[in-house]
Amino acid sequence: DIQMTQSPSSVSASVGDRVTITCRASQGISSWLAWYQQKPGKAPKLLIYAASSLQSGVPSRFSGSGSGTDFTLTISSLQPEDFATYYCQQANSFPLTFGQGTRLEIK
Amino acid sequence: QITLKESGPTLVKPTQTLTLTCTFSGFSLSTSGVGVGWIRQPPGKALEWLALIYWDDDKRYSPSLKSRLTITKDTSKNQVVLTMTNMDPVDTATYYCAHRRTAMALFDYWGQGTLVTVSS
Repeated sequence: DIQMTQSPSSVSASVGDRVTITCRASQGISSWLAWYQQKPGKAPKLLIYAASSLQSGVPSRFSGSGSGTDFTLTISSLQPEDFATYYCQQANSFPLTFGQGTRLEIK
Repeated sequence: QITLKESGPTLVKPTQTLTLTCTFSGFSLSTSGVGVGWIRQPPGKALEWLALIYWDDDKRYSPSLKSRLTITKDTSKNQVVLTMTNMDPVDTATYYCAHRRTAMALFDYWGQGTLVTVSS
């Protein structure tokens, strides 16, 4: 199985800040990576697919980059509605695996 | 507009079999490339992929749970059913069904989820 490791596990930031979350795969996955946002009590929402492609309707302040084993999700200017938990998921091979999540909290 | 909704019991006893139904609209599971998956999330924990079924009835399972899982589809009813045998308290989780994004093994539309508690 491919293990996905996110860092940090949690981060505190303020509205307007730039935040970067990283995800590392235990083996190369090309660009087969997705990022999801999850708010408490809600289903995950797809933000980024294929490592850097923005899902329709997602604000442009979200961006993704990376390939192989190292990936990043960047929020360029945090908005109040961005405080949530973020997960990466590899889509390279079965079994599909998720990272452990990064909780983004208000400072 | 694609929507999915999970249904099933909220409480099951240990050793029982769980049957969850995902009823969807806005797409057809008879269309080439389409897939529906199941993902679960124990309270306060991370997401865990369980199973995925494709339009051609190809099925993929989590190896750690494969012996306990069965995924099936009913194209005429727009439903996907997941059964999990021998339920244990550690299987307590919110179970989600989700639409597979075309040509990728990731999920672009999710149901609201259903919390299943395993307890005697």
